[in-house]
Amino acid sequence: QVQLVDSGGGVVQPGRSLRLSCAASGFTFTTYTMHWVRQAPGKGLEWVAGISNAGSNKYYADSVKGRFTISRDNSKNTLSLQMNSLRAEDTAVYYCARETRSGGTYFFDYWGQGTLVTVSS
Amino acid sequence: DIQMTQSPSSLSASVGDRVTITCQASQDIDNYLNWYQQKPGKAPKLLIYDASNLETGVPSRFSGRGSGTDFTFTISSLQPEDIATYYCQQYDNLPPYTFGQGTKLEIK
Repeated sequence: QVQLVDSGGGVVQPGRSLRLSCAASGFTFTTYTMHWVRQAPGKGLEWVAGISNAGSNKYYADSVKGRFTISRDNSKNTLSLQMNSLRAEDTAVYYCARETRSGGTYFFDYWGQGTLVTVSS
Repeated sequence: DIQMTQSPSSLSASVGDRVTITCQASQDIDNYLNWYQQKPGKAPKLLIYDASNLETGVPSRFSGRGSGTDFTFTISSLQPEDIATYYCQQYDNLPPYTFGQGTKLEIK
C-alpha cells in the first residue's frame, strides 16, 4: 500500500536551518511529482513546493522562494525539503503529498502524516 | 496568482442536514478544482476531483459541482463522522496550487 512517512521536524531558532524528509513506499516513486504542503497552527493549508518526477523541474511558493529547496533521491525513494533562514512564520506542520495526474486532472491523493516545525528563540 | 475564496468559514449543522459549501475562484478555472477533507490532527484526504468526480471509496453523500469561477460542495445527509474542515484547491494555473481558506464543519 502507498505510504509516505514525514520526518525531520523539531524546534529551531530563527535564522537557522532544518531539513525535512519524506520516505515513500508502495508505489513507483520515480513516476510521480511530489510536493510539500504546510499548515500553521490553527490555520489553513498552504502549498510550499513541488518537484517533477525526475527532479528537473522545481516550483516554490513566493513565501519560501530563495530560502527553501526541494529535492528528491529516486534511488532511495525519498523527498526532502531544505529550509534555510527560518522565520517564526514558517512554524507549521509540514506534509509531503503525492500528485497524481490523469490527462488534465491533477490532485494530491496520498499525504504523509506531517512533521511539526517550530521556529522559536 | 489565482485566489480561492470559500464560504462560510465555519458551519454548524445537525445530523441528517444537507450542507453546502461554496468556493469562488478569482478567475475562470474551468473545472480544475479539487475538494479535500481534513479531520483534526490528520492529513487531508481527497474527496472530489475535477469539480464533480468522486474519489474511489468516498461515500455518495458527498458531491461537487460547478465550472468557471463558482463551485459548490454538498453533503446530502450530514453524518457525525463528517465533522472536519473542508478545503477547495485549484489546479488551473500552476504554480501555486492554491487552497481555499477552509470551512470548519461542526455538529449542532
